[in-house]
Amino acid sequence: EPEVTQTPSHQVTQMGQEVILRCVPISNHLYFYWYRQILGQKVEFLVSFYNNEISEKSEIFDDQFSVERPDGSNFTLKIRSTKLEDSAMYFCASSELAGALKETQYFGPGTRLLVL
Amino acid sequence: DAKTTQPPSMDCAEGRAANLPCNHSTISGNEYVYWYRQIHSQGPQYIIHGLKNNETNEMASLIITEDRKSSTLILPHATLRDTAVYYCIVTLTGTASKLTFGTGTRLQVTL
Repeated sequence: EPEVTQTPSHQVTQMGQEVILRCVPISNHLYFYWYRQILGQKVEFLVSFYNNEISEKSEIFDDQFSVERPDGSNFTLKIRSTKLEDSAMYFCASSELAGALKETQYFGPGTRLLVL
Repeated sequence: DAKTTQPPSMDCAEGRAANLPCNHSTISGNEYVYWYRQIHSQGPQYIIHGLKNNETNEMASLIITEDRKSSTLILPHATLRDTAVYYCIVTLTGTASKLTFGTGTRLQVTL
C-alpha cells in the first residue's frame, strides 16, 4: 500500500541553524500538508500546498518557515533559523484531490526535531 | 469547522468491541466526520469517515446519528495493538481543508 515517507526520522540541531525536513507524498496525490506536534500537545496544522502554491497557513507558519516542491516527488519544510520552541514532531500528509471521496489525508511517520 | 467533544479516556478488554463516542452538535450539512488514531508518537492513521450514512471498512464501523450531532466509532474486536489516541474530526469537504485535532480519546485495550 502506498505511504507517505519522511526523512530524517530524527534531527538534532543548534538554535539558529537552518533545517530542511523532507517528505515524499503518495505518488498520485496533489495536495500536501505539514503539521507539527509539540511533546504532549495536540497535532497542529502548519500549511497546505497545492499546484506549487500555499493554499492555507496557520499563525504558526511565520516567515521562518517555507515549503517547496523542488521536484516531482519531494515536498520540503524549511525552518530558516530554528528556535528552542520549534522542537516537535513534524508530520507531512498528502491527499489525492479536493472532493469528498478523495481528500482523505494520509500522514507520514514524522520527523522528530530537537533544537538545542 | 465544527467543534467535537470526546471522552478523555476509555478502557476495553481485548476481543470485545470498543465503542468510542463523539459529539459534534454544531456540524453543518457539508461537513464530514473523520476518525484518525495515533499510536504513541507515530503519524496519525486514517480510520474511516462519513457524511450521514453509516460506514464500514476493514478497520472499523462509523455510526452517525440521524441528526448528525454525534457519532460512534466501533472497533469490533479490539486488540492490544488498538491502544492509541482516537481523534474525531469534523471538516469541510471539497476544499482540502486542514484537519483540526483535539485531545481525542485515549483507548487502553487490556488483557
